[in-house]
Amino acid sequence: DQQVKQNSPSLSVQEGRISILNCDYTNSMFDYFLWYKKYPAEGPTFLISISSIKDKNEDGRFTVFLNKSAKHLSLHIVPSQPGDSAVYFCAASNFGNEKLTFGTGTRLTIIP
Amino acid sequence: DAGITQSPRHKVTETGTPVTLRCHQTENHRYMYWYRQDPGHGLRLIHYSYGVKDTDKGEVSDGYSVSRSKTEDFLLTLESATSSQTSVYFCAIRAPTILTGELFFGEGSRLTVL
Repeated sequence: DQQVKQNSPSLSVQEGRISILNCDYTNSMFDYFLWYKKYPAEGPTFLISISSIKDKNEDGRFTVFLNKSAKHLSLHIVPSQPGDSAVYFCAASNFGNEKLTFGTGTRLTIIP
Repeated sequence: DAGITQSPRHKVTETGTPVTLRCHQTENHRYMYWYRQDPGHGLRLIHYSYGVKDTDKGEVSDGYSVSRSKTEDFLLTLESATSSQTSVYFCAIRAPTILTGELFFGEGSRLTVL
């Protein structure tokens, strides 16, 4: 039972354009969401997070949007740069829970 | 960067042999985790620890055991490795700020079971 789903295994975007990565979840108890970025042969690194009391969180070129009614979140990267090419994982948890549940990942390729 | 080291980084073994992966942290964090990454499955939690000698199962714990005898080390053991355990294994530690819950990951251990 995949509680966190990333339905697009891969995405290609032109450099300078917007990249939009999507994530859906099924567990209504989740109230904290994170995005991780992973380069080949490295461990995932934390990118940005959002709690359920917000619907948007921004950090530089990265913005995460949360739609609780649709159980959907998205990561926007503007403008996209070649260094953004990586696998992106969304993850979810609830406050007080020590565990994160991850999605299957989306491989983003930025085309120069 | 969080001080996490995993060893070995690469290992090839045969079916039926025991394997132990080690995770060492220098951050003195309470929580430590073992995940495996597989194509089409993302990152799945195997076991985690919330203190010395305190561990619990994750979603894919069958065939794995863990031990934590001191804060800085978290060991993952495959008692009798199978080909389905071929994977990349990541150790992670959790930042102490409960509001964020961010995990910091090691660089991974690639295990191939022939």
